[in-house]
Amino acid sequence: GDSVTQMEGPVTLSEEAFLTINCTYTATGYPSLFWYVQYPGEGLQLLLKATKADDKGSNKGFEATYRKETTSFHLEKGSVQVSDSAVYFCALSDRSGGSNYKLTFGKGTLLTVNP
Amino acid sequence: NAGVTQTPKFRVLKTGQSMTLLCAQDMNHEYMYWYRQDPGMGLRLIHYSVGEGTTAKGEVPDGYNVSRLKKQNFLLGLESAAPSQTSVYFCASSPGTSGNLGRETQYFGPGTRLLVL
Repeated sequence: GDSVTQMEGPVTLSEEAFLTINCTYTATGYPSLFWYVQYPGEGLQLLLKATKADDKGSNKGFEATYRKETTSFHLEKGSVQVSDSAVYFCALSDRSGGSNYKLTFGKGTLLTVNP
Repeated sequence: NAGVTQTPKFRVLKTGQSMTLLCAQDMNHEYMYWYRQDPGMGLRLIHYSVGEGTTAKGEVPDGYNVSRLKKQNFLLGLESAAPSQTSVYFCASSPGTSGNLGRETQYFGPGTRLLVL
């Protein structure tokens, strides 16, 4: 079955540091890939997505590139802010027949950014 | 648009009691989903629906039932609550087959925190 593995946290950084959160996946079909973010006490929000190989999703300074050859979708940001402190989830949607667009999530990575 | 809303925000139950969680969306989405979130487990799919009047089991359906009588609403029921059902429950919706771009993207509600004693 489908699965998503992301680096375990927590990750603690100082403001303006570079961020990488690793994500790799296993899928039977050709999935779309997503990063969701969950701020404290809130639901999940879509951060970015990519639907085919070599696509780069980007939003709010975050980027991730769909790497089919390494089955990866690592999240990066060049300079994090305190307001980026949240839990980040990598997810995939397997578009093969009958999937009904269900999402498979990683376990989440808690990021804390200190001033 | 309010997006996806969930009622209630927080509830405490005793073992054996029943309750219903309500999810409503105003985006005319075809698909709706119920997840539970537990520490270290990520989000796990309980049940989902691909249209009004349809429901299907997800990864962890035992102990839960669902109904989708109206397109905009998706109800999650616990018939006899157990402490193992203590969790945060999230509802989500997506355009599904009715969407062109972004049909897979799911939009989440704020969550319901449930404590079963």
